[in-house]
Amino acid sequence: QTVVTQEPSFSVSPGGTVTLTCGLSSGSVSTSHYPSWYHQTPGQAPRSLIYNTDTRSSGVPDRFSGSILGNKAALTITGAQADDESDYYCVLYMGSGILVFGGGTRLTVL
Amino acid sequence: QLQLQESGPGLVKPSETLSLTCTVSGASISDSRTSYYWGWIRQPPGKGLEWIGSIYYSGSTFYSPSVKSRVTISLDTSKNQFSLKLGSVTAADTAVYYCARHEYKNYAFFDYWGPGTLVTVSS
Repeated sequence: QTVVTQEPSFSVSPGGTVTLTCGLSSGSVSTSHYPSWYHQTPGQAPRSLIYNTDTRSSGVPDRFSGSILGNKAALTITGAQADDESDYYCVLYMGSGILVFGGGTRLTVL
Repeated sequence: QLQLQESGPGLVKPSETLSLTCTVSGASISDSRTSYYWGWIRQPPGKGLEWIGSIYYSGSTFYSPSVKSRVTISLDTSKNQFSLKLGSVTAADTAVYYCARHEYKNYAFFDYWGPGTLVTVSS
């Protein structure tokens, strides 16, 4: 079964820019996978950031952007803030109604 | 405002069936005009998210291959609820279980989530 890969952890300085990626153990991510991104703080349900590769969910600031970079989906955060410290998950549509989440990236802002 | 709320036993014995219900308020789960899926996602303690499966307003279902042989998701339109049944559970099924809504067109877009409920599998 195909695995969706994410960096386990990442750190960024306040005000800095970071790009998290979402790949496949076999093959390339494309817009046909409808990549979506979620963030989650401890004890809370995930919340949508980006869907359909690059569409921001309602209320999400434009500091967050989605794209395809090379063979991966990417989430870029510009002007990182302390409350961006969170777990970030991508999810891909694999066809035939199947969704697969990545393992998540723990982002530290320091 | 759409709200989802999971409910069900917090403790299930190994080899038994885990049963959860998601009650939806603020929208009809059987509304054909809006074309939404209703899904279940789980998260073992300290680990990542796993999609379990989803059901369309029409009743058609999709399941993750990892649990397909053990899982059933169904609708109860009279109560505006959908349910998850997972059989032959083991300790590996211990997790916070979330219900969520996602779009037909943007299938990976879960826009509303329940707060989650912890289910522990233990004797």
